[in-house]
Parts: sequence; structure tokens; C-alpha cells
Amino acid sequence: RKEVEQDPGPFNVPEGATVAFNCTYSNSASQSFFWYRQDCRKEPKLLMSVYSSGNEDGRFTAQLNRASQYISLLIRDSKLSDSATYLCVVNLFSGGYNKLIFGAGTRLAVHP
Amino acid sequence: DAGVTQSPTHLIKTRGQQVTLRCSPKSGHDTVSWYQQALGQGPQFIFQYYEEEERQRGNFPDRFSGHQFPNYSSELNVNALLLGDSALYLCASSHDSPLAYEQYFGPGTRLTVT
Repeated sequence: RKEVEQDPGPFNVPEGATVAFNCTYSNSASQSFFWYRQDCRKEPKLLMSVYSSGNEDGRFTAQLNRASQYISLLIRDSKLSDSATYLCVVNLFSGGYNKLIFGAGTRLAVHP
Repeated sequence: DAGVTQSPTHLIKTRGQQVTLRCSPKSGHDTVSWYQQALGQGPQFIFQYYEEEERQRGNFPDRFSGHQFPNYSSELNVNALLLGDSALYLCASSHDSPLAYEQYFGPGTRLTVT
């Protein structure tokens, strides 16, 4: 079983749609959680951190359920510029070190 | 404030050859991590360097080795290249702190092995 698993995608949605991505992680010792965005042939960039209380950044809402080991990302009012791959990432702090573990990513394509 | 830089941007090598990739961390960062990203996959952790020593390693063979210099820059070396080593190699830097989990990525080096 992969340490971080995501919806395979791709998601093809029209502009203005709401889209949700899901992610599960296997290591209960995971301490921090993130969504990264990766544009085609570019490096990953941090989109937002994910907290148990849920957090929102404009059109983006992230949620964490530690009991179910489940992370979600909701994008409202999709824009063409949201087209990218979204990577679910967990941070494992072990032995005094931080280690990021990435999911395979879910590709989103927003069309006019 | 310069971000993470990597060189070269693209590289084509033949199976069996050796390659060295380079990374300069973001100013103020002292920890460098290397990742391999195959097409259609997420980045896979190779290893992490701090104070010129490898302190964490992912599930990669000994053909993958690295080095960190006193100025915190780092190199990734891959020996006896295989076709399966073709990937985007990403370097990420961070500050050594339990709370400094955010890593900043460089643009990557795209390695093609033929």
C-alpha cells in the first residue's frame, strides 16, 4: 500500500465548477499535511497547509480528518489558471528530521 | 533573495554513464533534500543532507550518492545509469528545525537516459 494515495484523476471540469480532491495516508505518525500545486514541467509549490479545524484560502478549502487519515481539498469557482496537478503531501517527523511524502498527484483540467 | 537553483536544466546521458546534478539552496537554508519524479508520479524522496552529512535516505540503491558542501550547496551523483533513472530530479531546501517542514523546490533537472 502506498503511503499517500490520491484520486487518480484526471478531473476535467468547466470554469466555475466546484471540484474536490481526496487523499488518504497510511502512517498515523504523520504530523503535518499539505497540498502542493505542480504546473506542467515545473517544480511543486506549496498551495496550503491542512489543519484539523479546516482552513480556507480564498476559493480553496482544505480539511484533515486524523481519525480516518483522510485529507481533502475543495476548489470553488474553478478558473482556467487552476489547471495543474495537485499533490497531497504528509510530513513525517521521525528521528528528529522532517521528511515529506508525496502522493502521485491528481491532475485538474479546467476548460472554458 | 535567490530561491533554490539547480543545474543543468536538462541532461541526456547513455545507459551505464555517470551523472552529477547540482543544487544551491535558498538563502538562509541549511538542509537539502533530493527527490526523483518519474513521469506521472509524485516526487520520491532520495536523501537529505545537513551539515555535510547524509542523515536520511529513501529507498534508492547505492548508485545514488550525494554530497553537501560547507556553503550548503549539494550534489547528487548517479552511477551506472539505467533507462529507469530517466526522471525530473528535484532539489528542495529548508531550515533545520522541527517546525520548518516547508521545503522550497528548485526548478529541477530533467535527466533522459538513452
